[in-house]
Amino acid sequence: AQSVAQPEDQVNVAEGNPLTVKCTYSVSGNPYLFWYVQYPNRGLQFLLKYITGDNLVKGSYGFEAEFNKSQTSFHLKKPSALVSDSALYFCAVRGGGTASKLTFGTGTRLQVTL
Amino acid sequence: GAVVSQHPSRVICKSGTSVKIECRSLDFQATTMFWYRQFPKKSLMLMATSNEGSKATYEQGVEKDKFLINHASLTLSTLTVTSAHPEDSSFYICSARDQGTSTEAFFGQGTRLTVV
Repeated sequence: AQSVAQPEDQVNVAEGNPLTVKCTYSVSGNPYLFWYVQYPNRGLQFLLKYITGDNLVKGSYGFEAEFNKSQTSFHLKKPSALVSDSALYFCAVRGGGTASKLTFGTGTRLQVTL
Repeated sequence: GAVVSQHPSRVICKSGTSVKIECRSLDFQATTMFWYRQFPKKSLMLMATSNEGSKATYEQGVEKDKFLINHASLTLSTLTVTSAHPEDSSFYICSARDQGTSTEAFFGQGTRLTVV
């Protein structure tokens, strides 16, 4: 069975500082990895994905994530946080089949303060 | 990216009544859609996979007679919460993937259901 772990319920960072939101995963075969962001009472917005290729992937709003196969991790990063980045972030994984289901982590609340 | 529209965004209903939630893929066809339930401060729990033209596949522990899913066309799936009870109050989210062109899923805006 596939699984995702987001070990931090909340991450606090000051605006302008770099941020990291951690994610580790377990899946059979090559992983398809995703990060989504959720604002209050809204659905999930796609941020970025890793399917194959470069381990460092860049996504929306200046976010990037680094795929590390040996550590089975896919941490989300941003060089300089903004207050508007405050939201709930979900890491997700699925296998490569077209009907594969997404498995989500428990989410990490990012709080960026002035 | 592709757009998934979910309606209504918020609904309040009385106990014992049924509520229908619609999920539409606006600019692509989706043979498969997914329905999730999200509890406060919790992750998304997959309820069922909706398959166009066939029966939905429910996850373990989800009552199929309680949560009726219909996927009548390639752009529309509906979730009906039947005989709703207060414990069914939750945030329901649908998603779909344009399997022909993308590897990521796109999500509807979610529906906040409150059963009183």
